[in-house]
Amino acid sequence: AQSVSQHNHHVILSEAASLELGCNYSYGGTVNLFWYVQYPGQHLQLLLKYFSGDPLVKGIKGFEAEFIKSKFSFNLRKPSVQWSDTAEYFCAVNAHSNYQLIWGAGTKLIIKP
Amino acid sequence: ETGVTQTPRHLVMGMTNKKSLKCEQHLGHNAMYWYKQSAKKPLELMFVYNFKEQTENNSVPSRFSPECPNSSHLFLHLHTLQPEDSALYLCASSQPPGQGATGELFFGEGSRLTVL
Repeated sequence: AQSVSQHNHHVILSEAASLELGCNYSYGGTVNLFWYVQYPGQHLQLLLKYFSGDPLVKGIKGFEAEFIKSKFSFNLRKPSVQWSDTAEYFCAVNAHSNYQLIWGAGTKLIIKP
Repeated sequence: ETGVTQTPRHLVMGMTNKKSLKCEQHLGHNAMYWYKQSAKKPLELMFVYNFKEQTENNSVPSRFSPECPNSSHLFLHLHTLQPEDSALYLCASSQPPGQGATGELFFGEGSRLTVL
């Protein structure tokens, strides 16, 4: 069965630190990859997505993610985090043949001012 | 403003009550979804509707009853719930497969349900 694994449930960083959140999936075919973010008290919103082409994708608020097909990974990065990045981050994957999203359990990111 | 509106935002109900959650989308999408979000768990897909027809029921107990009268509106009727049903219930919409869509979901802010 397809699954998505996010390596850390909680991450605590200081402002200006660099961020990398891991996401691995299990599916051998062609996939679409997403990162969603949920700020405290707000709705889930799309941070960035990969469908095809350049495996390094850039999203909103300075986030980027790199799709490494050989590693089945789609890690989220930001070179310098801000207090306002405090949120929960979700990785999701769907296969081109089945549009239903498979979700990771989420990573809660806390940025200390 | 996400284009997907959910009401009520908060709901407290007893185990014998009957209540409904409402979702409305203004994005022109034809697929709508109910998800359950619990702490430390992946999002759980409950129901999917494409063009008002239910296409997915993810083994959801019958105490949850969805209704989709048109492509813009989705309801979740609740009755005789259990305390473990307390969670954030999220509505989402998307273009359905087959129209050049990729499965990207647009979410509402959720309805926080507490069952006493």
